[in-house]
Amino acid sequence: GQSLEQPSEVTAVEGAIVQINCTYQTSGFYGLSWYQQHDGGAPTFLSYNALDGLEETGRFSSFLSRSDSYGYLLLQELQMKDSASYFCAVSAGRRALTFGSGTRLQVQP
Amino acid sequence: GAGVSQSPSNKVTEKGKDVELRCDPISGHTALYWYRQRLGQGLEFLIYFQGNSAPDKSGLPSDRFSAERTGESVSTLTIQRTQQEDSAVYLCASSYREGEQFFGPGTRLTVL
Repeated sequence: GQSLEQPSEVTAVEGAIVQINCTYQTSGFYGLSWYQQHDGGAPTFLSYNALDGLEETGRFSSFLSRSDSYGYLLLQELQMKDSASYFCAVSAGRRALTFGSGTRLQVQP
Repeated sequence: GAGVSQSPSNKVTEKGKDVELRCDPISGHTALYWYRQRLGQGLEFLIYFQGNSAPDKSGLPSDRFSAERTGESVSTLTIQRTQQEDSAVYLCASSYREGEQFFGPGTRLTVL
C-alpha cells in the first residue's frame, strides 16, 4: 500500500516563501503530484514530478527525491489567494492517486 | 462544457435510501476516478475506470457501493441503503496522462 505524510498546517505572511514537505512510502512509484484545494472547491492540479529534481511553474516549484521518498512544494511571493489546502499524491502505476491528508496554508497580511 | 461535471451538486437523503451520483468526464479522457472526501480530510480512492478494461474497485468501502461507466463517457456511482457515515463530498476526476487529474465540483451527500 501507500502512505504519505505532510504537515497539517502552515502559516506564512504575504510576500514570503513557504515550503510544504511530503514523505511517502509506497510499494510502487511512478511520480508525485501536488494539488491545491480552496474551501468548498475541487482539487486543482499544480505539478507532477516523475524524475528527481526541481520543476518550476511560475511562483510554484515542486521537488522530488526518489531515493529519499521525499518531495516538497515551494510557493514564492505568497498572496492571500494562496490560502488553501495543498495535497501531495503518489501515483503507483494504476493512475489512481493516493492522497496525503493535506496541508492547510494560511497566508496572513 | 470543457471541464468535468457532476450532478447533483447536493443530495440530502434519508438513511436506508439509495442514491445515484453522476459524472461527465472531459471528452477524450480515457481514465475516470471516483473519490470520497470527508470534511477536513484527504481524498479517499473509491474506483477507477480505464477504457474498456475491468475497473479497479479496490477502494470501494462496502458492497453497498457500485459504479458503472459507459464506454469512455458518463459514469454513475450508486450507494445502496445509505448510512450516516456515507455523508461526504464525492468527487469525480478524469485524466489522459499520469499524475494529472481534472476534478469535477463534487456532489455533497448528506444522509440524515
